[in-house]
Amino acid sequence: GNSVTQMEGPVTLSEEAFLTINCTYTATGYPSLFWYVQYPGEGLQLLLKATKADDKGSNKGFEATYRKETTSFHLEKGSVQVSDSAVYFCALMKTTGKLIFGQGTTLQVKP
Amino acid sequence: EAGVAQSPRYKIIEKRQSVAFWCNPISGHATLYWYQQILGQGPKLLIQFQNNGVVDDSQLPKDRFSAERLKGVDSTLKIQPAKLEDSAVYLCASSSPLGEGSYGYTFGSGTRLTVV
Repeated sequence: GNSVTQMEGPVTLSEEAFLTINCTYTATGYPSLFWYVQYPGEGLQLLLKATKADDKGSNKGFEATYRKETTSFHLEKGSVQVSDSAVYFCALMKTTGKLIFGQGTTLQVKP
Repeated sequence: EAGVAQSPRYKIIEKRQSVAFWCNPISGHATLYWYQQILGQGPKLLIQFQNNGVVDDSQLPKDRFSAERLKGVDSTLKIQPAKLEDSAVYLCASSSPLGEGSYGYTFGSGTRLTVV
């Protein structure tokens, strides 16, 4: 079946550090891939997406590349800020529009 | 444009009681989704509507959960009777058109349910 696995958190970094949050998926066919972010007390927001192999999604300094050969969609940012502290969810979308989420990774950025 | 509206924002009930959540999707969005997000987990789809028809309810516990989308606009999710393990945030989302959710997929702020 379809599933998404993320690295466990929490991930604790100092400001301006490099961020990587690993995400791998299992799916039939070639789903679209997403990263969603949930800031404290707020709803889910789309961070970035990629719809086919080798696509790179980017937004707000975050990037992720759709790697079909390794079935991965790792999230990266070169220099994190305290305001990036949130829970990050990797997800895949089935052709019906159903989203399948990973368990989430909490990021804590310290000044 | 207005976002996905949900109410109430918070609800505390005792086990075995019933509860209902309401969602008003973005105007014109044909597809509506209800997700359950248990603390520490990612959201899980409970039910998906296309207009007023059910597309996917394979993970809806039908012995206690029910949902409807009369007239193909707003939707209600009901739990009766509630169990302790139903404590979660219930998220509503909408998109248009079907399957191309990445271009219009929007989540509401959710209803946080606590069952005591």
